[in-house]
Amino acid sequence: SAVISQKPSRDICQRGTSLTIQCQVDSQVTMMFWYRQQPGQSLTLIATANQGSEATYESGFVIDKFPISRPNLTFSTLTVSNMSPEDSSIYLCSATWTSGIYNEQFFGPGTRLTVL
Amino acid sequence: AQKITQTQPGMFVQEKEAVTLDCTYDTSDQSYGLFWYKQPSSGEMIFLIYQGSYDEQNATEGRYSLNFQKARKSANLVISASQLGDSAMYFCAMRGSNDYKLSFGAGTTVTVRA
Repeated sequence: SAVISQKPSRDICQRGTSLTIQCQVDSQVTMMFWYRQQPGQSLTLIATANQGSEATYESGFVIDKFPISRPNLTFSTLTVSNMSPEDSSIYLCSATWTSGIYNEQFFGPGTRLTVL
Repeated sequence: AQKITQTQPGMFVQEKEAVTLDCTYDTSDQSYGLFWYKQPSSGEMIFLIYQGSYDEQNATEGRYSLNFQKARKSANLVISASQLGDSAMYFCAMRGSNDYKLSFGAGTTVTVRA
């Protein structure tokens, strides 16, 4: 298994500002992902964080709005840029392995973002 | 494309009873994985159980079991001997074999009554 931590756990931000969320895994993982959960909704994948290269974004999400970095196998950041109240959500980091016997896919505790 | 359907928005269950949460899926992949997660009000996503499409036996993890019916494309979660702490949102999710991205259902809220 893996333990994933996220910082900050929550934040209240002003419209037009940016927030960077950090995700740290306690072991090397193959894949890292960022999800968004809007209030009362299910989880939606934002992007796959690729080590040492640009993230792969899902339809409806763009790099200028959600820049992502992944410098190594255990760490990734997601920035929510030029925030608006519609960005108020829980942002979750997820990690998994692509080989071996591990089938679990783990999530961090989430970052609860409120934009005023 | 993968699609996950959870048709029960909310369910009530009496403490110590069993509850079944429905999940159906649609995919063109031959190899895929099915997951169930629990999300309490704190917001964290807690991994419960995994079923591979080629697994012949239904997965079990403690009080959780997955009723996997491949031909019907269903993967229902059974929680036995419900406890008050089981009150939460439950999500069914699926991933294919190529990209490891999870697709989630809409979720089912479970409320356990004393």
